[in-house]
Amino acid sequence: LAKTTQPISMDSYEGQEVNITCSHNNIATNDYITWYQQFPSQGPRFIIQGYKTKVTNEVASLFIPADRKSSTLSLPRVSLSDTAVYYCLVGDTGRRALTFGSGTRLQVQP
Amino acid sequence: NAGVTQTPKFRILKIGQSMTLQCAQDMNHNYMYWYRQDPGMGLKLIYYSVGAGITDKGEVPNGYNVSRSTTEDFPLRLELAAPSQTSVYFCASSTPFSQGTYGYTFGSGTRLTVV
Repeated sequence: LAKTTQPISMDSYEGQEVNITCSHNNIATNDYITWYQQFPSQGPRFIIQGYKTKVTNEVASLFIPADRKSSTLSLPRVSLSDTAVYYCLVGDTGRRALTFGSGTRLQVQP
Repeated sequence: NAGVTQTPKFRILKIGQSMTLQCAQDMNHNYMYWYRQDPGMGLKLIYYSVGAGITDKGEVPNGYNVSRSTTEDFPLRLELAAPSQTSVYFCASSTPFSQGTYGYTFGSGTRLTVV
């Protein structure tokens, strides 16, 4: 299983762009990179998924360099409601279950 | 479309009691999982299943049992509850990422307290 490393916590202000980087040095060829968001007392919720280069959806962008050993989740113009824990997962659930790390706790201030 | 449904939402058990946490999904996903999350921590995998009749241990299986008799249901059994099992339990289902799906779909969780 690819091990992931991400910052424990980050602080930001409303309206700013937030970038959370995840390191996954031993990512395998068939592994995808997926980010989840978790609010208190709720299960994690899918945000974005990618394999290489850049992926963008209505919520976030995911930047993946050519070597795929890291990835960056970018949240544009965060609001207070973006305060949550963000998890980076690497793997292919077609082969095995995935392990959640401790995640990055994002606190957005007014 | 209900997604992943967990019952009960809350439960208080006495030490030594047993209970079953129910999980059902209506998305025809082959893969199902049980995670536990202690306060302020990430999720730890208890058991998972890649299809009916097939289960496997995760990181923290001790004190738990599972069965998978149908594609839809994946109950988690706690035998002889202990205070260390006080946690929030999440069930999830998925299909392989390579099939163009969005990974895990989680239930809303069961908050269990053992006293």
